[in-house]
Amino acid sequence: GAGVSQSPSNKVTEKGKDVELRCDPISGHTALYWYRQRLGQGLEFLIYFQGNSAPDKSGLPSDRFSAERTGESVSTLTIQRTQQEDSAVYLCASSSGTSLGDTQYFGPGTRLTVL
Amino acid sequence: AQRVTQPEKLLSVFKGAPVELKCNYSYSGSPELFWYVQYSRQRLQLLLRHISRESIKGFTADLNKGETSFHLKKPFAQEEDSAMYYCARRNFGNEKLTFGTGTRLTIIP
Repeated sequence: GAGVSQSPSNKVTEKGKDVELRCDPISGHTALYWYRQRLGQGLEFLIYFQGNSAPDKSGLPSDRFSAERTGESVSTLTIQRTQQEDSAVYLCASSSGTSLGDTQYFGPGTRLTVL
Repeated sequence: AQRVTQPEKLLSVFKGAPVELKCNYSYSGSPELFWYVQYSRQRLQLLLRHISRESIKGFTADLNKGETSFHLKKPFAQEEDSAMYYCARRNFGNEKLTFGTGTRLTIIP
C-alpha cells in the first residue's frame, strides 16, 4: 500500500513568511510524528500525535511552530515568521499505534529553505 | 537527557571487509535501541532493533549495557550497503525517538 507522503517536497520561502507542511500518514495509523533534520545533524523530535490524546509537543523549538492533526488523518506543521535557522528537512512518520514500540514509517520529507 | 553518539561521520570500507558502525547512548531509563538506514534517493527506514535480536541484510547489533553501546556490524561488506546509517533510541513507554547524527558508509569496490 501507499506509504507516508509529504508535500511539498521542496519549499523555498523568504524570512518572515509563514509556511505549512503537510503529512499524509499510512491509512489506519493512529500515531504520527514530526521530526526536523538540520544539515549535518541528526533528526530532532518535534511533536507526536496518538489518536485523540493530547499531542506531545515537547520538541517544538519555539511558539512559532505548531501542528494540527484532524482525527487520524492528515497533519499540518505550521512555522510562522520563518527564520533562516528553520531551514531543514522536515520528516513525518506514522505507526500503527496498537502497541508500544511500533515501527515508525517515514515519509520522504520536505526540504525547507528560508532565504 | 537522552543522547545518542555516532562518532564517525564518514566511514569507507572495501567490499568484502568487515564493517562496524559505532553507536553509544546515554544511560537513562530503559532504552530501546534501533538502527535506521537511508539509501540514496530513498526514505529513512528501519534496519533493525535490539529487542528483535535478528540479522537483517547480514547486519547485527548487540546491546552492551556495560559499555552503553549498540554497534552495527557486518562481516563482509557489499556495495549495496553504501548508505547513511542512523542509530536511535527511545525509552520504553515513550514513543519519540532520539537520533544520532548519522554515519555515511561508503563501500569501495
